[in-house]
Amino acid sequence: TQLLEQSPQFLSIQEGENLTVYCNSSSVFSSLQWYRQEPGEGPVLLVTVVTGGEVKKLKRLTFQFGDARKDSSLHITAAQPGDTGLYLCAGANHPNFGNEKLTFGTGTRLTIIP
Amino acid sequence: DTEVTQTPKHLVMGMTNKKSLKCEQHMGHRAMYWYKQKAKKPPELMFVYSYEKLSINESVPSRFSPECPNSSLLNLHLHALQPEDSALYLCASSQETSSRVSSYNEQFFGPGTRLTVL
Repeated sequence: TQLLEQSPQFLSIQEGENLTVYCNSSSVFSSLQWYRQEPGEGPVLLVTVVTGGEVKKLKRLTFQFGDARKDSSLHITAAQPGDTGLYLCAGANHPNFGNEKLTFGTGTRLTIIP
Repeated sequence: DTEVTQTPKHLVMGMTNKKSLKCEQHMGHRAMYWYKQKAKKPPELMFVYSYEKLSINESVPSRFSPECPNSSLLNLHLHALQPEDSALYLCASSQETSSRVSSYNEQFFGPGTRLTVL
């Protein structure tokens, strides 16, 4: 069974501060996705990372895929209240189409205090 | 159209009721999914449909019955549910590419149906 552990589980910081969320596994994934979910809504895809060591930037968000493709991080610069939400990483393995499964991480609940 | 839509938004049902959840996408995706999400937990996969055929059933109780009438629609039929089945039910879809090796299984989620079983 593949597991993805996220840390921290909860994070509450002041607006303008920086933060990093980690997503770790002992398993290798062919790709890893990050989602943000607002209360009562579905997860929204933020980014997909595919290559070991890959770094992707989305405005103030920086995503990195570990060299061994077992872990990932999300760094937010100058956090804003709109960044508040549940952040989920999800790993996918080389697809055998028709048996597509994502392994979701345990989630990080982020609260940005104005 | 890059949306996955789900109806209803909220549903309250008794344990003897029969109801259905509906999901629709018009992105040409050929894989569709049902997830169950309890409060403060990540989504848990229930079913996967690929090209309108059921490809994965994660040992879901038979009181949940999925149906894929066509490539754009996915239903979840509910019968004789228990209070512990109360949760947010999420539908998602993903694209099939010409090269399956390059498919990253990016899943796009609907807003969910908040189900309460009394």
